[in-house]
Amino acid sequence: GAVVSQHPSRVICKSGTSVKIECRSLDFQATTMFWYRQFPKQSLMLMATSNEGSKATYEQGVEKDKFLINHASLTLSTLTVTSAHPEDSSFYICSARAPLSRNTEAFFGQGTRLTVV
Amino acid sequence: GENVEQHPSTLSVQEGDSAVIKCTYSDSASNYFPWYKQELGKRPQLIIDIRSNVGEKKDQRIAVTLNKTAKHFSLHITETQPEDSAVYFCAADSPPYNQGGKLIFGQGTELSVKP
Repeated sequence: GAVVSQHPSRVICKSGTSVKIECRSLDFQATTMFWYRQFPKQSLMLMATSNEGSKATYEQGVEKDKFLINHASLTLSTLTVTSAHPEDSSFYICSARAPLSRNTEAFFGQGTRLTVV
Repeated sequence: GENVEQHPSTLSVQEGDSAVIKCTYSDSASNYFPWYKQELGKRPQLIIDIRSNVGEKKDQRIAVTLNKTAKHFSLHITETQPEDSAVYFCAADSPPYNQGGKLIFGQGTELSVKP
């Protein structure tokens, strides 16, 4: 079964509204989770590192006020796309890395296809 | 920061042939190198990984080799099958090493296996 669960898998929203995406680690506690964005036929681009109990670390060029990340527990991180615009349409995918006892393998959520109309 | 380069971007082979995908990385302290397979619209799935204390690892038709001196690693798929068609990504670890730091991904290789 899935080790990391993400939902919704698809969402269509109107321009100017906000969308929240949830990422849950099911098998292990994750003090750190990662949020990626993927455009068609492109690689996974790291947006930010979500840290449990503290502020997220954003990659250069990612607007932290637009992509709000909350990591309130050891099993849940959320990404909120605020005031969404059509250019925010993309595939968003989260990841959590297992502890060293499990080889620190990175597990991914199933991804969220966001379409802003 | 870490940078990972992956080649080729597309690769087309006949069923039964071998496929090789290569990656280079910039951070000499990186010590974990996974390979992921991603089918269209799906999540990436780990297919094999290697740590810097070994030079080669094999799992049935899939093998990965690592050259730490040259800072490059390669994925080898033998006896390719149509179901191997997908996008493959290499990745390298970043600090804090061995503690689940962020993975930096290569650009991806779209592999097409023709029957």
